[in-house]
Amino acid sequence: AQSVAQPEDQVNVAEGNPLTVKCTYSVSGNPYLFWYVQYPNRGLQFLLKYITGDNLVKGSYGFEAEFNKSQTSFHLKKPSALVSDSALYFCAVRDMGGNNRLAFGKGNQVVVIP
Amino acid sequence: DSGVTQTPKHLITATGQRVTLRCSPRSGDLSVYWYQQSLDQGLQFLIQYYNGEERAKGNILERFSAQQFPDLHSELNLSSLELGDSALYFCASSPDLGGVKNIQYFGAGTRLSVL
Repeated sequence: AQSVAQPEDQVNVAEGNPLTVKCTYSVSGNPYLFWYVQYPNRGLQFLLKYITGDNLVKGSYGFEAEFNKSQTSFHLKKPSALVSDSALYFCAVRDMGGNNRLAFGKGNQVVVIP
Repeated sequence: DSGVTQTPKHLITATGQRVTLRCSPRSGDLSVYWYQQSLDQGLQFLIQYYNGEERAKGNILERFSAQQFPDLHSELNLSSLELGDSALYFCASSPDLGGVKNIQYFGAGTRLSVL
């Protein structure tokens, strides 16, 4: 079964500094990977996806993610964090059984310190 | 706004009761997914419908059921509620089942509190 792991519970970063949220995956075959963000009392918002092609994927709100097949990782990055980036971030992988369901990691709380 | 509408936003009920959560997918989306978010279990897939038919089941209890209607809206029915069913229930929709453009868009969720 496809799965992802987010090893850290919380990521603290100073405003203006680079932000990295880690994700590793375990799949059979080529993965379809996603990042979502959840702001307080809101639903999940799609940030970006990797299906195939370039290993560096650009998404919404200045976020990007780097797919690394040898390290089975898909880390989310932002060059300069904003206080408004403080939220819960989820990595997810699509089931390859043809039904498109997602398996999520436990989530990472990102706190951007002014 | 994702275009996925969930009602109600909040639901408070007692143990043993039955509730229905409603989801209207984005216009044109045929596939609807239900997920449960709780502190101890994280975000878990429950069930998926595609064009009115059940497509996949995840960690859904037998006390829970769902359906998708001809107008493509979906309802999640939770019965014999227990304290542990308190959670945030999300609905998501996508145009189809697969393909590179098939992204799931999530509603704002229904927060269920079982007292």
